[in-house]
Amino acid sequence: DIQMTQSPSSLSASVGERVTITCQASQDIDNHLNWYQQKPGKAPKLLIYDASDLETGVPSRFSAGGSGADFTLTISGLQPEDIATYYCQQYDDLTTFGQGTRLEIK
Amino acid sequence: QVQLQESGPGLVKPSGTLSLTCAVSGGSISSNNWWSWVRQPPGKGLEWIGEIYRSGSTNYNPSLKSRVTISVDKSKNQFSLRLNSVTAADTAVYYCARDSTIGGAMDVWGQGTTVTVSS
Repeated sequence: DIQMTQSPSSLSASVGERVTITCQASQDIDNHLNWYQQKPGKAPKLLIYDASDLETGVPSRFSAGGSGADFTLTISGLQPEDIATYYCQQYDDLTTFGQGTRLEIK
Repeated sequence: QVQLQESGPGLVKPSGTLSLTCAVSGGSISSNNWWSWVRQPPGKGLEWIGEIYRSGSTNYNPSLKSRVTISVDKSKNQFSLRLNSVTAADTAVYYCARDSTIGGAMDVWGQGTTVTVSS
């Protein structure tokens, strides 16, 4: 099984700040990595697919990159509506989610 | 646009069987997509349960494989989840989702349904 490890587990940042979340796979997964945003009480929402492609309608302040085993999600200019938990997901071998990163406003 | 809606009992007894259905509207279950189930225990992260294709082909999470069955009903445009021998650890919000034709991203989600395992 492929394990996904996100860091940090939680993060506090100020509005306008640049925020980066990392996701590490236990083995090479090429670019088979997606990112989701989940707000309390809501279903997850797809943000990024294939490691770096922005889903239609997602603000351009969200960007992501990486390949192999190491990936990042960056929010450039944090907005209050970005408060959520973020998950990475690998689909190289079945599917596994990371444990999530909770983002709060400082 | 495609919408998904989960339905089923909100309370299941320990050792019983959890059964949920995901109705697909605004699109066809016979499209070139896989269809997934994902769950989230209270206060915890997301766990993929499994997926099904229109042909009936399935893939399951190895940790749940012995207890899970996912099926598709093309005549009703829906797919279903059965999880047997449930315990309190199976208490969760259960989501159905559509797998995008691009990679393995889940691009459409149901709102989720809460299932509690308790006597």
